[in-house]
Amino acid sequence: DAGITQSPRYKITETGRQVTLMCHQTWSHSYMFWYRQDLGHGLRLIYYSAAADITDKGEVPDGYVVSRSKTENFPLTLESATRSQTSVYFCASSVLMNTEAFFGQGTRLTVV
Amino acid sequence: AQKITQTQPGMFVQEKEAVTLDCTYDTSDPSYGLFWYKQPSSGEMIFLIYQGSYDQQNATEGRYSLNFQKARKSANLVISASQLGDSAMYFCAMRGSSDKIIFGKGTRLHILP
Repeated sequence: DAGITQSPRYKITETGRQVTLMCHQTWSHSYMFWYRQDLGHGLRLIYYSAAADITDKGEVPDGYVVSRSKTENFPLTLESATRSQTSVYFCASSVLMNTEAFFGQGTRLTVV
Repeated sequence: AQKITQTQPGMFVQEKEAVTLDCTYDTSDPSYGLFWYKQPSSGEMIFLIYQGSYDQQNATEGRYSLNFQKARKSANLVISASQLGDSAMYFCAMRGSSDKIIFGKGTRLHILP
């Protein structure tokens, strides 16, 4: 299907485990973003990417790793999950700088 | 550094009334864009409206308009003739020359019948 999809939609993992959240877009958008949403904090930018092989830190990058070997994929990895990383994670993409971002459905991650 | 501030955590508005959601921003970039998104209880993020910093006129999209006051660094969202379906979380966002898009903490809007 066309659009931007995240997988899995729901994930429960244990403290200390590595977990990867996937994001795939079919539009060939240059820009991709990862956000986390927590009550009282709105959406906070974790990492973003302007093109394949170009990534940069956002507001809250600690504990996360990203890669972008292909334009359409932008996986987010929690190297050693902590309870504070329990959150809803959103991936987004956009064509150009002065255009809106389109969001995936979100991944609800619980770290126990 | 860029910053978005939404000072209204929650608002209650009577159906059919107009509502203004506040957003102020801070940036040193001469060129930037401002966005509003709606997040209903189902969780998806829905783009509503965009305003460029060099746009001469305020953006409008149906019942949504953006009251852009550049000197005050404010970009308030105005919803005319509110409907029950407008009950949702609303986020203001900004994009500057660094490519990243940052969001405010949001305002939860409740429309009362």
